[in-house]
Amino acid sequence: GAVVSQHPSRVICKSGTSVKIECRSLDFQATTMFWYRQFPKQSLMLMATSNEGSKATYEQGVEKDKFLINHASLTLSTLTVTSAHPEDSSFYICSANSPGQGGGADTQYFGPGTRLTVL
Amino acid sequence: QKEVEQDPGPLSVPEGAIVSLNCTYSNSAFQYFMWYRQYSRKGPELLMYTYSSGNKEDGRFTAQVDKSSKYISLFIRDSQPSDSATYLCAMSEGQFYFGTGTSLTVIP
Repeated sequence: GAVVSQHPSRVICKSGTSVKIECRSLDFQATTMFWYRQFPKQSLMLMATSNEGSKATYEQGVEKDKFLINHASLTLSTLTVTSAHPEDSSFYICSANSPGQGGGADTQYFGPGTRLTVL
Repeated sequence: QKEVEQDPGPLSVPEGAIVSLNCTYSNSAFQYFMWYRQYSRKGPELLMYTYSSGNKEDGRFTAQVDKSSKYISLFIRDSQPSDSATYLCAMSEGQFYFGTGTSLTVIP
């Protein structure tokens, strides 16, 4: 199956610093990638949809100036948490849209996630 | 009303039991149905993918779609402790919609 990687898998940073998370589709091209955050024992919460070569679409309540998304190529999207604070501590997961084959639907493949802890 | 409803559980079963996980939905335009498995502290992984109504079997896993009832199920036969995870259903008509996930624990 399709593989999506995320880097780093875990990051601890001081309050006020910025953190960049990379999401890569390793064996397919993804025109669309998605960024989610997940709190412990809760479901995925979609933050934004990232389209290659255009601005990301943010979900209601997500600050676009705080969570900067760049989808510079068909295999790479980045999420930068700017001026991180302890309340930004969470599990961030990306997914990449794999185009459907032979008229089938697109499928989302998820990365392994990045655990961010802001001290 | 949410697009996709899924009982969050938690669900706890003994090893070897048959597990039934379910989701209901309201949008009749959904054509593609997926089940993801998410282990603790990991990203979700695609488990099963079905199109329209019917059954699909893969080893101990069977996905069932009943479009007339707007109801999908995932059955796990001979459940193992390694099946302990959160199971998410997802549906698509172009845009994806996820259930909230059901937490499953298989007790040895």
